[in-house]
Amino acid sequence: SQQGEEDPQALSIQEGENATMNCSYKTSINNLQWYRQNSGRGLVHLILIRSNEREKHSGRLRVTLDTSKKSSSLLITASRAADTASYFCATVSTDSWGKLQFGSGTQVVVTP
Amino acid sequence: EPEVTQTPSHQVTQMGQEVILRCVPISNHLYFYWYRQILGQKVEFLVSFYNNEISEKSEIFDDQFSVERPDGSNFTLKIRSTKLEDSAMYFCASRTPYGYTFGSGTRLTVV
Repeated sequence: SQQGEEDPQALSIQEGENATMNCSYKTSINNLQWYRQNSGRGLVHLILIRSNEREKHSGRLRVTLDTSKKSSSLLITASRAADTASYFCATVSTDSWGKLQFGSGTQVVVTP
Repeated sequence: EPEVTQTPSHQVTQMGQEVILRCVPISNHLYFYWYRQILGQKVEFLVSFYNNEISEKSEIFDDQFSVERPDGSNFTLKIRSTKLEDSAMYFCASRTPYGYTFGSGTRLTVV
């Protein structure tokens, strides 16, 4: 079974618009994290939300978590061309040693 | 800001050869991980390492793979006999209870 599946797979928006992407997962989690990856580059940790939290903010990022629906959303407000990247959610299950299970990602393109 | 350093950034090797990918985690982190990402696919967990031993490994992490922390600072992933399908980006990560830090990756190309 897949863990951490993002929706949509691709998103194209203009600068200044908001970008929203969703993540669904299957198991009980300890926390859920969002990462960004520029093409061919490393993973940059954006934000971590714990299972007892419902919403978290960091700069232009807003993450929500609904454990009853096993879903999370990432909102990027006032997007910039530099936000163009792939965004991945990753979960840490309650029965793991902290391993991250990544989704397939949402590819976001922000045009000037 | 502390970084996880991986070397080399790119390695090309012939099928059947052994490769060692190196990582220097953040010094006060206790948990270490290797992940891989085949081109165009999702990031996959390989192995976690804590207290000088493997704490968890995936089905991918078979007998051709091994990890070591030989000198208390370096954390290595060895692939004994590489296959074409081992071509991927390999990421090292370390963490505290508060978060993870990933290295920039080693791109392994098996020819």
